[in-house]
Amino acid sequence: DQQVKQNSPSLSVQEGRISILNCDYTNSMFDYFLWYKKYPAEGPTFLISISSIKDKNEDGRFTVFLNKSAKHLSLHIVPSQPGDSAVYFCAASEGNDMRFGAGTRLTVKP
Amino acid sequence: DAGVIQSPRHEVTEMGQEVTLRCKPISGHDYLFWYRQTMMRGLELLIYFNNNVPIDDSGMPEDRFSAKMPNASFSTLKIQPSEPRDSAVYFCASSLALGRQETDTQYFGPGTRLTVL
Repeated sequence: DQQVKQNSPSLSVQEGRISILNCDYTNSMFDYFLWYKKYPAEGPTFLISISSIKDKNEDGRFTVFLNKSAKHLSLHIVPSQPGDSAVYFCAASEGNDMRFGAGTRLTVKP
Repeated sequence: DAGVIQSPRHEVTEMGQEVTLRCKPISGHDYLFWYRQTMMRGLELLIYFNNNVPIDDSGMPEDRFSAKMPNASFSTLKIQPSEPRDSAVYFCASSLALGRQETDTQYFGPGTRLTVL
């Protein structure tokens, strides 16, 4: 039972353009959402988060949008850079329960 | 701090053998998590500890899996006997708390890539 889904296993964008990574969840009790970035042979590292009381959180080139009615969140990276190429995991939590999506591999082409 | 340390980085074993994965969390972190990453299911939480006590092991797939945390600086995940379907990358993570602040984020180790032949 996958409560957090990232339906696009991969995404390729040109350097300088916007990258949009999507994530859907099924549990309406989730109240905190996170994005992690993972490079090959390394563990995931925290990127950005958003509480369910907000619909947007911005940190430099990274913005996370939350649409609670649609149970959908997205990560926007603009402008995309080759160094952003990695696997991105979204995660959702409620209390002590945190669930991760399967990840989306982003490739930013120079 | 060196971050979360995991060993070994790679493990290749034969079906039926016992496998032990090790983790050293960041000093001062009260929470320790074990995750398994597979292509199909992404990151799955197996178990987590608070102050060395297992709190939730509902993600442990079956009795062949066990985890211990004998002290604040060391944890093991053991698979006995191992099976080919256990092949995955196993991550250990630690955090200060389970709050809703950025300071409570989980810090992951580099992972152990397990291959069971």
